[in-house]
Amino acid sequence: KQEVTQIPAALSVPEGENLVLNCSFTDSAIYNLQWFRQDPGKGLTSLLLIQSSQREQTSGRLNASLDKSSGRSTLYIAASQPGDSATYLCAVRSSSGSARQLTFGSGTQLTVLP
Amino acid sequence: EPEVTQTPSHQVTQMGQEVILRCVPISNHLYFYWYRQILGQKVEFLVSFYNNEISEKSEIFDDQFSVERPDGSNFTLKIRSTKLEDSAMYFCASSEQGASGELFFGEGSRLTVL
Repeated sequence: KQEVTQIPAALSVPEGENLVLNCSFTDSAIYNLQWFRQDPGKGLTSLLLIQSSQREQTSGRLNASLDKSSGRSTLYIAASQPGDSATYLCAVRSSSGSARQLTFGSGTQLTVLP
Repeated sequence: EPEVTQTPSHQVTQMGQEVILRCVPISNHLYFYWYRQILGQKVEFLVSFYNNEISEKSEIFDDQFSVERPDGSNFTLKIRSTKLEDSAMYFCASSEQGASGELFFGEGSRLTVL
């Protein structure tokens, strides 16, 4: 059964810092990995989707990498801003067993201090 | 930008009552999903739906749950006899493609069972 872990659980940084959020998964047989942002009491906003054949994806100040063989992904946020404060969720779609579901991590709660 | 919309945003019900949560997926998407998030816990997969039938369901999705696409735009989740432990945020999602597709989530419907 796929397990997804995110470290750290919480992170607080001053505005302007570059930061890295980590995600690990136990089963490397995946179709893709997706990073989401969740604001308190709100829905999930898709940030980046990385297919299993890809190594990284970029969108603006965000860069996500994928090392499928080691079961790891990182989300790099450049020049953080207070508006980046949210919980960031990593989710993988396994290609073995239940093929179409996303398995989520617990998230990293990010606070960017002005 | 196209988005997934969900209604109601919040519903309070008595234990044992039936609840229907509604979703309007993105119009050209073919794959539909329900996930839920109990307060403080991970987002969990409930069910996926394609071509007017369930394609996959989790252990959570027992006989008390059902899904339907009653017309060309709506996708519903019904809970026949709610329990206290059904209290959660329920998210609808849709994707254009199957296993390789990016999922787009709605804002969620918060269900409180008293």
